[in-house]
Amino acid sequence: RKEVEQDPGPFNVPEGATVAFNCTYSNSASQSFFWYRQDCRKEPKLLMSVYSSGNEDGRFTAQLNRASQYISLLIRDSKLSDSATYLCVVHLSGAGSYQLTFGKGTKLSVIP
Amino acid sequence: EAQVTQNPRYLITVTGKKLTVTCSQNMNHEYMSWYRQDPGLGLRQIYYSMNVEVTDKGDVPEGYKVSRKEKRNFPLILESPSPNQTSLYFCASSYRTGTFADTQYFGPGTRLTVL
Repeated sequence: RKEVEQDPGPFNVPEGATVAFNCTYSNSASQSFFWYRQDCRKEPKLLMSVYSSGNEDGRFTAQLNRASQYISLLIRDSKLSDSATYLCVVHLSGAGSYQLTFGKGTKLSVIP
Repeated sequence: EAQVTQNPRYLITVTGKKLTVTCSQNMNHEYMSWYRQDPGLGLRQIYYSMNVEVTDKGDVPEGYKVSRKEKRNFPLILESPSPNQTSLYFCASSYRTGTFADTQYFGPGTRLTVL
């Protein structure tokens, strides 16, 4: 069964804090991993892809651990504008199936 | 402007009245998909299409139909809507999603209420 599990949240953090989200996936054959951001009642948008070597984009760092089947997202120096729901996404292909599975999301509120 | 459009954005209908939600993308993307989003359940894939005339079921296809006659359009059809299909629906497209997935570009969403 394809499953993606995320920290339930919500995370309420002060401005400037560092916050980390984790996500685990059940199918070891999964091949692509992403973090998407969704603002309230808006469409999800790609935040960053996640690579085996880890990757960084400004204040955001994503890591993939294939052995333990989890991915993480670290946000440093949190801004008010980072308040959103963060979705972990896993892509599994094979046996004629090319599906994307989304986690339920972790809500982040950055407080002044 | 590169975008995914959905229509209508809001729809209130009654049980059993057939409806179609349209989805169109102008980016020449091969992969298109439909999701529904419900509180506590997250985004769940309904159907996806790898290319024209190629469609496949996602995790929650029951009660829905799709077609992909043209590359840019991927309508979602509810032949006989029921109240449990009340949800927020998103269409998405990507350049190519096969062995590996490309960035998914989402439409603005359609909020459907079935009475």
